[in-house]
Amino acid sequence: EPEVTQTPSHQVTQMGQEVILRCVPISNHLYFYWYRQILGQKVEFLVSFYNNEISEKSEIFDDQFSVERPDGSNFTLKIRSTKLEDSAMYFCARRTGSDMSGYTFGSGTRLTVV
Amino acid sequence: GENVEQHPSTLSVQEGDSAVIKCTYSDSASNYFPWYKQELGKRPQLIIDIRSNVGEKKDQRIAVTLNKTAKHFSLHITETQPEDSAVYFCAASTNQGGKLIFGQGTELSVKP
Repeated sequence: EPEVTQTPSHQVTQMGQEVILRCVPISNHLYFYWYRQILGQKVEFLVSFYNNEISEKSEIFDDQFSVERPDGSNFTLKIRSTKLEDSAMYFCARRTGSDMSGYTFGSGTRLTVV
Repeated sequence: GENVEQHPSTLSVQEGDSAVIKCTYSDSASNYFPWYKQELGKRPQLIIDIRSNVGEKKDQRIAVTLNKTAKHFSLHITETQPEDSAVYFCAASTNQGGKLIFGQGTELSVKP
């Protein structure tokens, strides 16, 4: 299975700024996910995206967050107005089968909000 | 709500010993239980998984057991090696939507 690559690997942003995290390249996959992991803590589910629509989202995924698959391959997570507590590792994930096969995490983006 | 509890939070063993990590889940609809190994600054990597129609699964030095009645599952690593040192996460999913609910993680340290 090809690797799931995320860009950038590390982003530093000022509080209140918008950031876009990207998951590339994705092809022929229907199921996508975003997770975050605050330093030293567990991995937390943010949102699932199926057939180009949000299928489920967690309480963390509030109005500041949005996801898109703008060009059929990239899968993006946007945070409109970052807060200090948004600092974390963000992982995208994809699965290839309805039976959870091929469930793979991306390389991750470390977001630091200052 | 959905929850996965994982114990212990840290585990230190001597090389060659066995390590056991335990998880319990709350959602009885959960039917898929993967285990991930995460090295510092890296992505979680799937090491083994088990589905609810199976009670035990083994892959070389790694095994996972599932008790659906008690809603708990465990990871067993035998003949531990220093390179097994990492943080291990259990997770549970109902499969339908595919979201994973993770445990809090266990930091395993294998001393040579």
